[in-house]
Amino acid sequence: KNEVEQSPQNLTAQEGEFITINCSYSVGISALHWLQQHPGGGIVSLFMLSSGKKKHGRLIATINIQEKHSSLHITASHPRDSAVYICAAHNNNDMRFGAGTRLTVKP
Amino acid sequence: DTAVSQTPKYLVTQMGNDKSIKCEQNLGHDTMYWYKQDSKKFLKIMFSYNNKELIINETVPNRFSPKSPDKAHLNLHINSLELGDSAVYFCASSPGPVGTQYFGPGTRLLVL
Repeated sequence: KNEVEQSPQNLTAQEGEFITINCSYSVGISALHWLQQHPGGGIVSLFMLSSGKKKHGRLIATINIQEKHSSLHITASHPRDSAVYICAAHNNNDMRFGAGTRLTVKP
Repeated sequence: DTAVSQTPKYLVTQMGNDKSIKCEQNLGHDTMYWYKQDSKKFLKIMFSYNNKELIINETVPNRFSPKSPDKAHLNLHINSLELGDSAVYFCASSPGPVGTQYFGPGTRLLVL
């Protein structure tokens, strides 16, 4: 079992839908990262969280340290949000990655 | 200006060769990383380098060696390349050991 589990693996949504991607981890963390990997392969850091909630535009990330769980939400989804979303547990000098969630948003 | 750059973008080489991938960041960051993304798109950390302290993922073969001539550069040298080394290698940097990471565009390595 991977130390960082994401669900779902694949997600297809219609434009405008509210999206939730979940991440559970079993390791201790100093921070949790959400990354976006575009179809072309480039990786962008979306959020780094150690507690609570962060918001950036239509994206919201939350983390529950006690439950070792984080969620990434996308409001009013758009086809340009189509990408692979990866969560990563960061502990000191070690990063453990989830397998990613492939999101496809259809117009 | 590209924040984190890698060269080359693509590298095709024969088994047994030695190759290097270069990484440069112009963000003034103290910490740099190398990651490997395999054919199943799974990312794994290979190295992190902070203030001349190198942390190596114990699963990385010693054929891989990072070299940092200065704070802005972390190059990856690979000796005796094997077929299983074929992957995309990403460099990243962050302000400190725990911070938002900025990724390079990746280097796609194919070993024939």
